[in-house]
Amino acid sequence: EAQVTQNPRYLITVTGKKLTVTCSQNMNHEYMSWYRQDPGLGLRQIYYSMNVEATDKGDVPEGYKVSRKEKRNFPLILESPSPNQTSLYFCASSTGFNQPQHFGDGTRLSIL
Amino acid sequence: GQNIDQPTEMTATEGAIVQINCTYQTSGFNGLFWYQQHAGEAPTFLSYNVLDGLEEKGRFSSFLSRSKGYSYLLLKELQMKDSASYLCALRSGTYKYIFGTGTRLKVLA
Repeated sequence: EAQVTQNPRYLITVTGKKLTVTCSQNMNHEYMSWYRQDPGLGLRQIYYSMNVEATDKGDVPEGYKVSRKEKRNFPLILESPSPNQTSLYFCASSTGFNQPQHFGDGTRLSIL
Repeated sequence: GQNIDQPTEMTATEGAIVQINCTYQTSGFNGLFWYQQHAGEAPTFLSYNVLDGLEEKGRFSSFLSRSKGYSYLLLKELQMKDSASYLCALRSGTYKYIFGTGTRLKVLA
């Protein structure tokens, strides 16, 4: 089944403790992206990747890092999480920039 | 700058037709997407417009006017399962996307 898989689905952690949210897709998609969704603000793009070893900042990259060493994986790294990064995070992938994105089921992060 | 505006909430009756509007300002336009998002779930793709005009897909249609910075999503023969948020998303650069805050649609029996 074609899918985008995120892990974990839920995480409660504390300020400053490094964490990684993994994202994997099995559709051989070139384009992948991370978003955060907050009430009243909608989906905001954090980082995106056009292909392996090609990443760039979205609108809200501060406090996040990404890497794209393999086509299928696009992890989101929070080196020193802070409470303002408490949010619902979505990973998405598509075959190209003018193609619809397929979203993962989301990761709800709470930073205390 | 870039900005997308959508109504926050709309209510309609089962079997009716509803139009959800999206207006935008952008320095570079490369296409507009509509997604549906049920509460607690991931967004799913509905339609894509890059040229002016109407795109029809079953009960759903989407219209675009680039000169007016305007799009709408038309939902016909509303069903209870259409109660969801509808997200307008602009492809503003080659790889960048800007999403509106979404329109929450309630379908009443």
